[in-house]
Amino acid sequence: DTEVTQTPKHLVMGMTNKKSLKCEQHMGHRAMYWYKQKAKKPPELMFVYSYEKLSINESVPSRFSPECPNSSLLNLHLHALQPEDSALYLCASRLVGTLDTQYFGPGTRLTVL
Amino acid sequence: QQPVQSPQAVILREGEDAVINCSSSKALYSVHWYRQKHGEAPVFLMILLKGGEQKGHDKISASFNEKKQQSSLYLTASQLSYSGTYFCGTELTDSWGKFQFGAGTQVVVTP
Repeated sequence: DTEVTQTPKHLVMGMTNKKSLKCEQHMGHRAMYWYKQKAKKPPELMFVYSYEKLSINESVPSRFSPECPNSSLLNLHLHALQPEDSALYLCASRLVGTLDTQYFGPGTRLTVL
Repeated sequence: QQPVQSPQAVILREGEDAVINCSSSKALYSVHWYRQKHGEAPVFLMILLKGGEQKGHDKISASFNEKKQQSSLYLTASQLSYSGTYFCGTELTDSWGKFQFGAGTQVVVTP
């Protein structure tokens, strides 16, 4: 089973709202990723968690706040977003320190009004 | 450092072949190839590791040239289902876990 699930599938929010994206996997992967993907562009790395600790933060604005409460779950808390933050947000997971690839979830399509 | 991917787009008739290239200016630890269809998540195709390996997945294969720090994806006898955007994702030798994706190659296979 190589399934990564993400909720919600779609999210529309105003610039003053607070919302969260959720990602879950039960493959025993201890590395989890958040990516942002704009239309016709490649996925852009935002955060990497390794063993529930933040290991990579690609200078993402503080209005995006990641959280990894346990080895299966990854959240992305959103606050005071801008319209340019509208994008597809992809979660991925992977076995740490291996030559295995990362497996992507279906993504959350976010629209900021 | 984002890898350089070429070409940007290719149009094929069913049964034709194509090559997509991905190169890095820094030493690569691994190259991962994905295909993404419109509105969907990227789907893993194969992983190449340093050492000049060549892998295959159906009629899609890939190679890794360590000297040139370049990987190539070969689409052979293309099928309609091969349409989509192909991305290479690279990891550098000193940055496990930090993926950088190429800009993508849009492949359109026509009947």
